[in-house]
Amino acid sequence: EVQVVESGGGLVQPGGSLRLSCAASGFTFSNYAMSWVRQAPGKGLEWVSAIRDSGSTTYYADSVKGRFTISRDNSKNTLYLQMNSLRAEDTAVYYCARAYGSGSLPGYWGQGTLVTVSS
Amino acid sequence: DIQMTQSPSTLSASVGDRVTITCRASQSINSWLAWYQQKPGKAPKLLIYKASSLQSGVPSRFSGSGSGTEFTLTISSLQPDDFATYYCQQYDSYPHTFGQGTKLDLK
Repeated sequence: EVQVVESGGGLVQPGGSLRLSCAASGFTFSNYAMSWVRQAPGKGLEWVSAIRDSGSTTYYADSVKGRFTISRDNSKNTLYLQMNSLRAEDTAVYYCARAYGSGSLPGYWGQGTLVTVSS
Repeated sequence: DIQMTQSPSTLSASVGDRVTITCRASQSINSWLAWYQQKPGKAPKLLIYKASSLQSGVPSRFSGSGSGTEFTLTISSLQPDDFATYYCQQYDSYPHTFGQGTKLDLK
């Protein structure tokens, strides 16, 4: 069974940093692109970042470019999101998702981890 | 960036109704469009990919159509479990933008 489980969320002050992790199981992690999608409280979905199966290519939303870094460790079946210079508007539930098939479409989602940026 | 616009934002319907949600892209995305269902406090669930392909295990009352810039999600006969929020997403080019969502509630 495909499973992705996010961790690392919590309360952080504006300007601070946080690293999210996503542990994958039930599939060959190195064969799939992975994504992060977030959802602010009471709001819609916002695509954040994606990384190809090898980790060689990454993509970012303009709202996080230069502040967030996506990476993966295929030997540990784990996806990461390093978040720096956090702002109040980054407050959201962050979802990790495995691609559906060979493309990049988020097909299998975790339950999310809440990041709250507040003083 | 490609903008995705869903309509309506809210839709009130009854069990057994046929409902349609529309998603428009600001430029052609061919058929690289997906639809998700999300219930409160839960992760989104992929329903349809490539505009009209049904994800495994999704009931056949859900269908998608369209190409280019205009797409629709149709639920042929609403069931109690279908009351949720629906999102479209384009994956033709990065960033893979979502529509703002359509909340389907009970009339």
